[in-house]
Amino acid sequence: NAGVTQTPKFQVLKTGQSMTLQCAQDMNHEYMSWYRQDPGMGLRLIHYSVGAGITDQGEVPNGYNVSRSTTEDFPLRLLSAAPSQTSVYFCASSPTGAGTEAFFGQGTRLTVV
Amino acid sequence: GNSVTQMEGPVTLSEEAFLTINCTYTATGYPSLFWYVQYPGEGLQLLLKATKADDKGSNKGFEATYRKETTSFHLEKGSVQVSDSAVYFCALKIPSRGSTLGRLYFGRGTQLTVWP
Repeated sequence: NAGVTQTPKFQVLKTGQSMTLQCAQDMNHEYMSWYRQDPGMGLRLIHYSVGAGITDQGEVPNGYNVSRSTTEDFPLRLLSAAPSQTSVYFCASSPTGAGTEAFFGQGTRLTVV
Repeated sequence: GNSVTQMEGPVTLSEEAFLTINCTYTATGYPSLFWYVQYPGEGLQLLLKATKADDKGSNKGFEATYRKETTSFHLEKGSVQVSDSAVYFCALKIPSRGSTLGRLYFGRGTQLTVWP
């Protein structure tokens, strides 16, 4: 059981470039989300989805786009990378039930130069 | 609103010392509470959880009790090991519909370092 798979694990981008961070889960979870983790800031929610075709913004959505065409996949797109987007990105999935936990991917370390 | 406050780190302990990491929350409704652990270079993984008041979650020697009266979920371990060095996150999830359905609210994390 693969769980939540994120690719790539590391990426260096130049300012202004675009890219897509991939996230896939094989647990048939309804809820998927993207977080960024920065020193001293904890985890901040970027975008989330409660099911295929449904997405919404989290706390820090600017500069990012998402789509959810299938239950399994939830890619995160950086439209025009900026140095402020240098961070570690985590994808997570969970059932929507109240007592159910989230499962996290291994993270993508992104550096924008 | 919904939020989690956990003690500022870093926390540095000697092996076999007692650990407490404080966590308090504000929530609409009756949340489920979680502790996640992040080892260096890895993603977060569930350490323990509690879904109703007075429940005690436990795993790997760690414990936390859901205290509704004090809105707290403090993490404790009687004797820490070097291998417990990690970042610990407290989180809550509320039963709801609409925009908060399924969402986890995290504290900022507490870095724990255990020295031999």
